[in-house]
Order: sequence, then C-alpha cells, then structure tokens
Amino acid sequence: EVQVVESGGGLVKPGGSLRLSCAASGSGFTFTNAWMNWVRQAPGKGLEWVGLIKSKTNGGTAHYAAPVKDRFTISRNDSKNTLFLQMKSLKMEDTAVYFCTNGDSWGQGTLVTVSS
Amino acid sequence: SYELTQPPSVSVSPGQTAKITCSGDALPRKYAHWYQQKSGQAPVLVIYEDNKRPSGIPERFSGSSSGTMATLIISGAQVADEGDYYCYSTDNSGDIWVFGGGTKLTVL
Repeated sequence: EVQVVESGGGLVKPGGSLRLSCAASGSGFTFTNAWMNWVRQAPGKGLEWVGLIKSKTNGGTAHYAAPVKDRFTISRNDSKNTLFLQMKSLKMEDTAVYFCTNGDSWGQGTLVTVSS
Repeated sequence: SYELTQPPSVSVSPGQTAKITCSGDALPRKYAHWYQQKSGQAPVLVIYEDNKRPSGIPERFSGSSSGTMATLIISGAQVADEGDYYCYSTDNSGDIWVFGGGTKLTVL
C-alpha cells in the first residue's frame, strides 16, 4: 500500500507564494518510476487536475492545467520520494484542498486559503 | 480546453443498477478512470482503464466505454455507494488531464 502525505498548506495573501510538499512511499511502490499529480478541490466544488510531472525515464517534464500555467511549478526529488508544488501569484480562486496522487493512491490533502 | 461531461445527479433505489455517463471527444482513443468520493474524504479509484477494477473494490462496480462515452455501472447499488463520482481522462496529447464535473449518486 502506498502512503501519501501532503504538507505546507496555510493562509496566504493574494499575490503571495506557497510551496507544498508530498511524501510518497510504500511496499512495492517505486517513486522514481511514478508519474505524480497534483489535484485540488475548492470548497463545495469538484475535483480539478492541477498538473503532473512525469518520471525522469519518461523525460521528467511537467504539464499544467490552464488556470495555473505560468504561476505554478511542479518538481520532484526522487532521492527523497518527494513531490513539490511551488505556487506564486496566488489568487483567491486558488483556495482549495490540494491533493497529491499517483492515480490510485491519494493523501488526505492540505488546505490552501488565499485571503486578505 | 478539453472537457468531460457528466450528469450532475443520478438517483436509484437500493438494489437497482446505477449508470453514470461521461462524454468526451478523446474517449475513443483514451482510457476513462472513475473515482468515488465521500464527504470529507479523499477520492478512491473504483475503475481504471475503462473497465478494470482495483483490488478491494466490490464486483458490483464495472465500467464500459464506447465511442465518445464511458459509463460507470453499479449493479445492485447500496446505500453505502452514495457519494460523488468523477470520471478522469486525458486529451489527445496525453499530457493534459481533466476530471468530469462529478455526479452525485443518491441511493434511497
């Protein structure tokens, strides 16, 4: 079973920055080979894909949803089984619970609140 | 931008078959995956690659896909199956993923 734990959420002012982290591990799970995603859910709303980063063997490239492209950056540290989401120029509409997932295992999410 | 379309709600009586549809232009070429989410909880994968069931998911959950529509089927729905269901797939590039808007399943 894969354990996924997100951290780094909190309250930030509009225009501010925040970095989220996600630690993923488990028996039979090789982080290095995993394509990892960030997904968010605004209060009372549906799931929204934020972006993904491919494994290094598949190029290690990151791809983003239109609402966050050019503001958010996904990166990974395979030696520490950790995924990151760097968020800048935050807007009130970025307020959401942010989940990290490899597709079938999810963390409980970390809440990001953008408010003045 | 690519979109997946789901009905906002589906309601069935206990023991009936619930069908939740998901339409998207790339579905003839791309797999659909389905998640169940209960209030306050993280999503759970119930069907992947159109019709495969992860271990631990009851056999009453199945999936199909034909043309531009994928369908999640819950045979003999139970009250415990109530929740929000989301389809998930990618556009033709394979790099941009989207969720459907979600379908609230009520079993009563």
